Amino acid sequence: GQQLNQSPQSMFIQEGEDVSMNCTSSSIFNTWLWYKQDPGEGPVLLIALYKAGELTSNGRLTAQFGITRKDSFLNISASIPSDVGIYFCAGLNTNAGKSTFGDGTTLTVKP
Amino acid sequence: DAGITQSPRHKVTETGTPVTLRCHQTENHRYMYWYRQDPGHGLRLIHYSYGVKDTDKGEVSDGYSVSRSKTEDFLLTLESATSSQTSVYFCAISEPLVRKSYNEQFFGPGTRLTVL
Repeated sequence: GQQLNQSPQSMFIQEGEDVSMNCTSSSIFNTWLWYKQDPGEGPVLLIALYKAGELTSNGRLTAQFGITRKDSFLNISASIPSDVGIYFCAGLNTNAGKSTFGDGTTLTVKP
Repeated sequence: DAGITQSPRHKVTETGTPVTLRCHQTENHRYMYWYRQDPGHGLRLIHYSYGVKDTDKGEVSDGYSVSRSKTEDFLLTLESATSSQTSVYFCAISEPLVRKSYNEQFFGPGTRLTVL
């Protein structure tokens, strides 16, 4: 089946620093999604990407859909303590109804 | 927040006992999903449903069954629980839109299941 490799597995950063994480796949997806999961809760969608090369922002978050359609990147600028959580990428193909999730990047922000 | 509830939120059971987890939604979304989340494995799809009485297996379906007799409810059953099924279980819903090429899933709050 399709697999996503998400890296890094964890990050420990200082408040105010920028963060970068990425997801790569052996298969092509035509949609990439980025979710955040706060402790004790379910994941919540942050950004959705629909076109290869697309760059989309949501506040301090910016995500890109890789040109090859096999990867995606998420950047967080000027991190704050509430950015703490697990970030998941997910890839899917139109009308498949199923997403394939990466294993997550756990972000810790030190004040 | 999407109207998704899961029950129970926490359960401790013994090996060999049957367990049923319930997902209830008030959004009238067609698609529903059950995932398990384990450290180092992210979210893995167990079963999913495209509508009433229309279900299919995900990547880790062994030992699990599902039923969907109503749009709003999706039940996950462990016929005979094993310690390897200790996990956090998430339900998700989605409603694919014809004009959009994405399929956002809204997740429930999760059920923490411990099998002793």
